[in-house]
Amino acid sequence: NAGVTQTPKFQVLKTGQSMTLQCAQDMNHNSMYWYRQDPGMGLRLIYYSASEGTTDKGEVPNGYNVSRLNKREFSLRLESAAPSQTSVYFCASMARPSEQYFGPGTRLTVT
Amino acid sequence: GDSVTQMEGPVTLSEEAFLTINCTYTATGYPSLFWYVQYPGEGLQLLLKATKADDKGSNKGFEATYRKETTSFHLEKGSVQVSDSAVYFCALSDTGGFKTIFGAGTRLFVKA
Repeated sequence: NAGVTQTPKFQVLKTGQSMTLQCAQDMNHNSMYWYRQDPGMGLRLIYYSASEGTTDKGEVPNGYNVSRLNKREFSLRLESAAPSQTSVYFCASMARPSEQYFGPGTRLTVT
Repeated sequence: GDSVTQMEGPVTLSEEAFLTINCTYTATGYPSLFWYVQYPGEGLQLLLKATKADDKGSNKGFEATYRKETTSFHLEKGSVQVSDSAVYFCALSDTGGFKTIFGAGTRLFVKA
């Protein structure tokens, strides 16, 4: 039981490049989330998926897109990376209104 | 909307000192309350939770009591260790139940 896994762990992009962050959970949870964490800003919700087949914007969705590929997988895409998207990205899942389970994070630097 | 406010850090303590990290919330309805901990280089993990008023959550020597009258959920530990050095986040489940609202986090340093 791996919990929530994320790939890659680290990534460096040049401004304007695109990339997809992958997330998978093996706990059969319905809801999945993408957050970014910046110094002094806590966690900010980018997008979430309450259940398979649905996605909704969070607090900071601009510049990102998501895909809920199936119940297990929820990907985050940056179409044209900007330096302001330099951050640590966390994926999380939740079975019901209760605690969330987090992945180990992806450290992204955009130069 | 729902929100969480927690004390700013960093908090620096000596080993075996008493810890309190304050957390207050604003919410409609009756949210569940959580404390998460983040160790360096890792994701957040649940430390403890409380689902209704007057509930006490506890884990690894940490405790927090859901106080509806003061809308608070303060984290306490009687004797901290160096290994408790981490960032602590207070959080609540929002009214709709699908999202968690996090505080800004409080960094704790424990010196030997």
